[in-house]
Amino acid sequence: SQTIHQWPATLVQPVGSPLSLECTVEGTSNPNLYWYRQAAGRGLQLLFYSIGIDQISSEVPQNLSASRPQDRQFILSSKKLLLSDSGFYLCAWNFGGSGNTIYFGEGSWLTVV
Amino acid sequence: AQKVTQAQTEISVVEKEDVTLDCVYETRDTTYYLFWYKQPPSGELVFLIRRNSFDEQNEISGRYSWNFQKSTSSFNFTITASQVVDSAVYFCALSEVAGASGTYKYIFGTGTRLKVLA
Repeated sequence: SQTIHQWPATLVQPVGSPLSLECTVEGTSNPNLYWYRQAAGRGLQLLFYSIGIDQISSEVPQNLSASRPQDRQFILSSKKLLLSDSGFYLCAWNFGGSGNTIYFGEGSWLTVV
Repeated sequence: AQKVTQAQTEISVVEKEDVTLDCVYETRDTTYYLFWYKQPPSGELVFLIRRNSFDEQNEISGRYSWNFQKSTSSFNFTITASQVVDSAVYFCALSEVAGASGTYKYIFGTGTRLKVLA
């Protein structure tokens, strides 16, 4: 069966520091991968999605970036964090095709101080 | 543009009461998919149901039921005889085709926080 993991689960970072969140999917190949952010009391905002290695689309202009160096690995990064980057970050995956269900990782709580 | 509206920000019920969570969507696609997810306090989103636009039959799974009505663009979720463990944030979502790649991306509502009191 397929599983998805992301880490770290929690981190507190100072303003201006870099960020790296990692996500891996096991038990499948060539998945679509997604990064979402959930700000406090708000819904889910799609940040990036990827249909393959080095194929990444950005939904919202921001100081975040994403990379997919391997088929089942998706990384969310920032060179300099802002206070507004605080939130709950969720990685997700699904198979390509007609509206297939997406499945989420455990999430990463980021607090920028 | 595609949009999902969950007008109920927070609902509180007493255990064993029935509760309905509303979801209204907007889309120009003729083929689309609707979803419900549950987010317990731990944070991880748990998939509950997926429904395509051609299947308007209601669905029941234990204490959960879903009412899909294309005429009103609604996909409501009812929990019968609610329990404290049902306390969570519930998200409704709509899928749409994302550009020429044919990949589907997903638009989420802002969620409804359900509190079930003992």
